[in-house]
Amino acid sequence: AAGVIQSPRHLIKEKRETATLKCYPIPRHDTVYWYQQGPGQDPQFLISFYEKMQSDKGSIPDRFSAQQFSDYHSELNMSSLELGDSALYFCASSLGSGSYEQYFGPGTRLTVT
Amino acid sequence: DAKTTQPNSMESNEEEPVHLPCNHSTISGTDYIHWYRQLPSQGPEYVIHGLTSNVNNRMASLAIAEDRKSSTLILHRATLRDAAVYYCILRDSDGTSYGKLTFGQGTILTVHP
Repeated sequence: AAGVIQSPRHLIKEKRETATLKCYPIPRHDTVYWYQQGPGQDPQFLISFYEKMQSDKGSIPDRFSAQQFSDYHSELNMSSLELGDSALYFCASSLGSGSYEQYFGPGTRLTVT
Repeated sequence: DAKTTQPNSMESNEEEPVHLPCNHSTISGTDYIHWYRQLPSQGPEYVIHGLTSNVNNRMASLAIAEDRKSSTLILHRATLRDAAVYYCILRDSDGTSYGKLTFGQGTILTVHP
């Protein structure tokens, strides 16, 4: 069965650079969630989209922005990168905002040097 | 969000049952109890969820206390592949949406051969 696809899987950037993470949800899934997991920490919710509209917002820095496109894929744009942004970024998708199950991708490991 | 409390870690032997407890004394009437797990180097994975009644699926069973202030995830026969961090998460539902997952400190399960 198709799973959530995230690209790239690994990304190395320098401080003050920008990064774009992409997420391709499971086919027919219309809801996308972004989570950040720092080293040794639990995943933290950043932002979510339902039917291409932002549905919820968590502790996402102002330097970050995201959107969901007409084909339901989503991109997380990160600017002025800081060392503290180094983390695993997970995307999850679900069928409708009422779905009890979120399906997670393998994550993108971002390293800021 | 209502808070959950789980033991930091638990250990089990392969092929033995495992009971993972979760306390949620401030749970509200519309909170569903969800369990996710995160295997090493992977994204979180849905395990099971319930509201009031005990639930079973192919992965596990969920036993919910009558007052709903605690629950127990039961793995009937642990395998090495079940070694993971297990998260107990409360999610409010307004009948149409569940929304984000709020991960707290989960239980690190170690399974010995």
